[in-house]
Amino acid sequence: DQQVKQNSPSLSVQEGRISILNCDYTNSMFDYFLWYKKYPAEGPTFLISISSIKDKNEDGRFTVFLNKSAKHLSLHIVPSQPGDSAVYFCAASSKGGSEKLVFGKGTKLTVNP
Amino acid sequence: GAVVSQHPSWVICKSGTSVKIECRSLDFQATTMFWYRQFPKQSLMLMATSNEGSKATYEQGVEKDKFLINHASLTLSTLTVTSAHPEDSSFYICSARADRGPEAFFGQGTRLTVV
Repeated sequence: DQQVKQNSPSLSVQEGRISILNCDYTNSMFDYFLWYKKYPAEGPTFLISISSIKDKNEDGRFTVFLNKSAKHLSLHIVPSQPGDSAVYFCAASSKGGSEKLVFGKGTKLTVNP
Repeated sequence: GAVVSQHPSWVICKSGTSVKIECRSLDFQATTMFWYRQFPKQSLMLMATSNEGSKATYEQGVEKDKFLINHASLTLSTLTVTSAHPEDSSFYICSARADRGPEAFFGQGTRLTVV
């Protein structure tokens, strides 16, 4: 039973355009969500997070949107750059983020020059 | 800030031997550390959670006698794969979390190959 789902295994966008990565969750106890970026043979790098008390958090080119009623969050990257090409993992936690992280399977983003 | 160093980055060992992987938080105190395993084209599978000074909590299906975890200090946790077999070959990643926030920061991972 997968509690965090990233239904798109891959996404390809043109440089300069917007990348939108989606994530759905089923556990209503989740109240903290994170996005990580991962290159092959490296550990994930933390990108951005959001608490369930918010519906948007922005950091530079990265914005995360949370729709609690739909149990859906998305990561927007704009403008996309070739260096953004990587696998993006969505993760969720409960109790304000103090519980273990539950990861989705990841979406491989390719940004074409 | 929030740097986690994992060592070694890769290791090849013979079947039946044991391998130790270290995970260090370099610029913060990690009250909780996590160990993951990643299979090719799969997500991160949590193996265990460790809190400094106490026994690790293992996820269902993870053999605690095979994957020994020690969180001896607030900056160091180790994972020892005992009596390694080829099926233990994988990418192992640690992460560390400080008291100041829920974000977990990851090490660079260790590629273990058992021959």
